[in-house]
Amino acid sequence: EDQVTQSPEALRLQEGESSSLNCSYTVSGLRGLFWYRQDPGKGPEFLFTLYSAGEEKEKERLKATLTKKESFLHITAPKPEDSATYLCAVPGPSGTYKYIFGTGTRLKVLA
Amino acid sequence: EAQVTQNPRYLITVTGKKLTVTCSQNMNHEYMSWYRQDPGLGLRQIYYSMNVEVTDKGDVPEGYKVSRKEKRNFPLILESPSPNQTSLYFCASSRTINEKLFFGSGTQLSVL
Repeated sequence: EDQVTQSPEALRLQEGESSSLNCSYTVSGLRGLFWYRQDPGKGPEFLFTLYSAGEEKEKERLKATLTKKESFLHITAPKPEDSATYLCAVPGPSGTYKYIFGTGTRLKVLA
Repeated sequence: EAQVTQNPRYLITVTGKKLTVTCSQNMNHEYMSWYRQDPGLGLRQIYYSMNVEVTDKGDVPEGYKVSRKEKRNFPLILESPSPNQTSLYFCASSRTINEKLFFGSGTQLSVL
């Protein structure tokens, strides 16, 4: 069964304490992996798309990487404003028209 | 400004009273979809549309209807809401499948 699993479910970091979030996927014929940020009560906002193993994307304190089975979202020297839920998603198998979302990692950065 | 607009933001209703949640996008996107988000279950797709008059079921379509008469609009209809449809709903659109989704700000629905 195609699925996306994120870990950890929740993460508390001190400001400046770097860490990584994991997204593992099982889907045949990966056609992209998407990272989103979701603030409480708001819709997810797009961060990155990765298409092939070895690819990396960066934005401010965030860097996303992709292997054949998983993706990592590295957060370097986080600030309290990075607190949010981070979601990853993949398109379903070819011929389907849906996205499969993980349940997210709730990140809390303490000042 | 490129955006997906959902209304209403909050809705409280009673069992069996038909309701519609509207969704509109101004980006000329072909693909639109509806999700519900529940604690511990993440985002689950209800229905999607690949283009005007082309809709199909997602993973949790029971109790919901949609229509796509115009490219920009994709309303979600609950003909006879039940308490298990209490949830946070999101509309989303993308240029095509396999591209990034733009989400609306959400509709928090409570069915009493």
